[in-house]
Formats: sequence, C-alpha cells, structure tokens
Amino acid sequence: QVQLVESGGGVVQPGWSLRLSCAASGFTFTSYAMHWVRQAPGKGLEWVAVISYDGSNKYYADSVKGRFTISRDNSKNTLYLQVNCLRPEDTAVYYCARDRGSIVGPTEYLQHWGQGTLVTVSS
Amino acid sequence: QSVLTQPPSVSAAPGQKVTISCSGSSSNIGNNYVSWYQQFQGTAPKLLIYENNKRPSGIPDRFSGSESGTSATLGITGLQTGDEADYYCGTWDSSLSAWVFGGGTKLTVL
Repeated sequence: QVQLVESGGGVVQPGWSLRLSCAASGFTFTSYAMHWVRQAPGKGLEWVAVISYDGSNKYYADSVKGRFTISRDNSKNTLYLQVNCLRPEDTAVYYCARDRGSIVGPTEYLQHWGQGTLVTVSS
Repeated sequence: QSVLTQPPSVSAAPGQKVTISCSGSSSNIGNNYVSWYQQFQGTAPKLLIYENNKRPSGIPDRFSGSESGTSATLGITGLQTGDEADYYCGTWDSSLSAWVFGGGTKLTVL
C-alpha cells in the first residue's frame, strides 16, 4: 500500500532553514508528481508546491516563492522541501501528498497523503 | 482569503442530509476538476471525492459530489456522528498555476 512518511520538522528560530523529507513506498515513485501542503495550527489547508515525476516542472504558492524549494531524488524514492528564511507564520504541519498523475499544471487531485511533520518557528 | 469559498460550518442531525458548497471562478472550478478531502481532528486529510463526482474505493455512497459552472457541492446523506470532520474542496487554478483549497467547512452532527 502507498506509504508517505515525512520527517525533518522541529523547532527553529526565525531566519533559520530546514530540509523536510518525505519517504515514499508502495508505489512507483518515478511515475507520480508530488506535492507539499501545510496547515497552520487551527487553520485550513494551504498548498505549498508541486513537482513533476521527473523534477522538470515545479510550481509554488506565492506565499513561499523564492524561499522554499521542492525537489526529489528518484533513486531514493524521496521528496524534499528546502525551507529558508523561516518566519513565525510558516509554523505548520507539513504534509506530502501524491498526485493522481505524473505531470503538473494542471493537477487533477491529491490521491494519497502522509501523516505530516510539524515545523515550529519561534524565538 | 481563499480562492475557493466554503461556508465555515454546517450542521445537521443524525440521519439527515447536508450539502457543502464550494464557489470559485472560471480559472479554477470552471475549467478543472474539483476534489474533496475529509480531515478528522489531528489526522491527515483523505481524498473523499475526485473528478467532481467520483468516489475512491472504500468511500460509501452516502458521499456525493457535483459541479455546475464555477461551483461545486459535496453532499452527505444519512449523517452519522462519525462524519464530524473538516471538509475541503480543491482544484487547479490555471491563472495562478497553483493548486487551491477552499477555507474548509466544519461539519457538526448534532
């Protein structure tokens, strides 16, 4: 069965950086686009970024453009999110999710989700 | 302010029916499929409806989706206390080149 396991979250100070990881198993990782979605405490879902199956296409939410970078290592079945210049408003649970398909723009739906990793930005 | 507009909350009695609306525009719902996600407190979201009105395996037929123009609707019949959750609509926005979610709707089964 599809498994997505996020890691790399923690408590950091404003301005710091983190790299979040999402280990995928139970499916052919190289065939699917992948997303990051975040959820601030008590708030709704906010889409962050998507990357195509081969890493050639990426899209970002305006709120993270220029600070966050999505990438993937298909040899390791792992998705990444490099988060730089963290702000208190970036505090959230970060979920990775598998797309329905391989390409991006448009995306049809987010088919499978991980359990999330919590990032807390506080001084 | 979300690109897709949902009511913050809805409520109904057990056994009753409820609908949750999701309003967008021609750049999102009007030209792309809508999906719905169910999220219980403290857990990850789960796909509930895809391609406007299709249910993944394991989702009971009490849950349904529809779309008309620039709006979509999630329907839940035969409400159960176990349906209490947050529900989100989502779709691709072709103008933003981004996936967008509604603000979410909290369902209370009284």
